[in-house]
Amino acid sequence: KQEVTQIPAALSVPEGENLVLNCSFTDSAIYNLQWFRQDPGKGLTSLLLIQSSQREQTSGRLNASLDKSSGRSTLYIAASQPGDSATYLCAGDFGNEKLTFGTGTRLTIIP
Amino acid sequence: EPEVTQTPSHQVTQMGQEVILRCVPISNHLYFYWYRQILGQKVEFLVSFYNNEISEKSEIFDDQFSVERPDGSNFTLKIRSTKLEDSAMYFCASSGSIVNTGELFFGEGSRLTVL
Repeated sequence: KQEVTQIPAALSVPEGENLVLNCSFTDSAIYNLQWFRQDPGKGLTSLLLIQSSQREQTSGRLNASLDKSSGRSTLYIAASQPGDSATYLCAGDFGNEKLTFGTGTRLTIIP
Repeated sequence: EPEVTQTPSHQVTQMGQEVILRCVPISNHLYFYWYRQILGQKVEFLVSFYNNEISEKSEIFDDQFSVERPDGSNFTLKIRSTKLEDSAMYFCASSGSIVNTGELFFGEGSRLTVL
């Protein structure tokens, strides 16, 4: 069974610091991995998509990496801001036309 | 920027009633999905839809659920006889244009409360 795990469930970081969010998955035959942001009571905003042939993707202060052999992805956020506070979800597409989501990491940036 | 829109944003219904949730996917997308998120739990896949038919569905998507693309723009999820455990946030998503990156774009969700 394909599973996606995110640890820790919650993280608090002072404003301005760089931080890394972790995502692990059980099936190395991953097709792609997508990172999302979810604000309370809101929808999912796509942040970055990494195809299986890629090792990383960057968008502004965000950088996501993918290591299929170790079953890990990371989301790096540089120079964190209070507006980055949200829940961050990773989701894997294992080629079966559906995303398998992790439980998310709730990030709080302390001003 | 194109976006997925969903209506209603919140619906309250009595157990046993039928509910239809509506979605307008991004206009040039070819693949459509419904996911749900029960409060405090993971986002779960329900169904995918391509070329006017269901291409994949989860064990959650039983005979009480159905999807339809009645015209060129709307994509609906119907729950025939709602149960208490159907209370959740339902998300519509779409993907796949001519250049298919596989990136899914989600709507803001429809919160369903079954009493």
